[in-house]
Amino acid sequence: EVQLVQSGGGLVQPGGSLRLSCAASGFTVSDTFMSWVRQAPGKGLEWVSVIYNSGSTHYADSVKGRFTISRDNSKNTLYLQMNSLRTEDTAVFFCARDFSYGAVDYWGQGTLVTVSS
Amino acid sequence: QSALTQPASVSGSPGQSIAISCTGTSSDVGGDNHVSWYQQHPGKAPKLIIYDVSNRPSGVSSRFSGSKFGNTASLTISGLQAEDEADYHCSSFTTSSPLYVVFGGGTKLTVL
Repeated sequence: EVQLVQSGGGLVQPGGSLRLSCAASGFTVSDTFMSWVRQAPGKGLEWVSVIYNSGSTHYADSVKGRFTISRDNSKNTLYLQMNSLRTEDTAVFFCARDFSYGAVDYWGQGTLVTVSS
Repeated sequence: QSALTQPASVSGSPGQSIAISCTGTSSDVGGDNHVSWYQQHPGKAPKLIIYDVSNRPSGVSSRFSGSKFGNTASLTISGLQAEDEADYHCSSFTTSSPLYVVFGGGTKLTVL
């Protein structure tokens, strides 16, 4: 059974850092595309970042230079390192198995990141 | 402001059909067939209901269908049921920045 279990998140001050984790089971993260998608309170979805099976990465302009997506193949886990956090980064973050350029068939449970002083 | 434009809300009565539009540009919806649709109930993760414009994942009701004409994709739900009341989001691969995926702002479907 495919599962994505997220951890991390919480309350952080502006300018601070957080790392989100997404432990996968039932498949191998390095065999597929893996994305992070976020949703600000009461808003729509926003794609954040992707790591291809090749290891190449892409980022939304809003997070480029501040966020880093990575994976640990030995732990079958996806990460999102978030630095220089801003109040506008406040959102529920989802990790996602992306089988075809935005076609996500499995989602993590979501984790709330709140950036506030 | 979202890259793809969706109506904020639509409504319909049980048994009726409704359509939700998703308008982009030639760099995304109009130029690529990697258009997906998601259903999201409150407090839940999104659920994929259409991918590659018109394909349904296994287990998704045939009442859901997708199409595309020019720069606009559409999701049609036929035989509306109470459980269809949810938010619907479209996405598309884009050949412009960020060179991956953009989403619409989401549409709230109300079943009257």
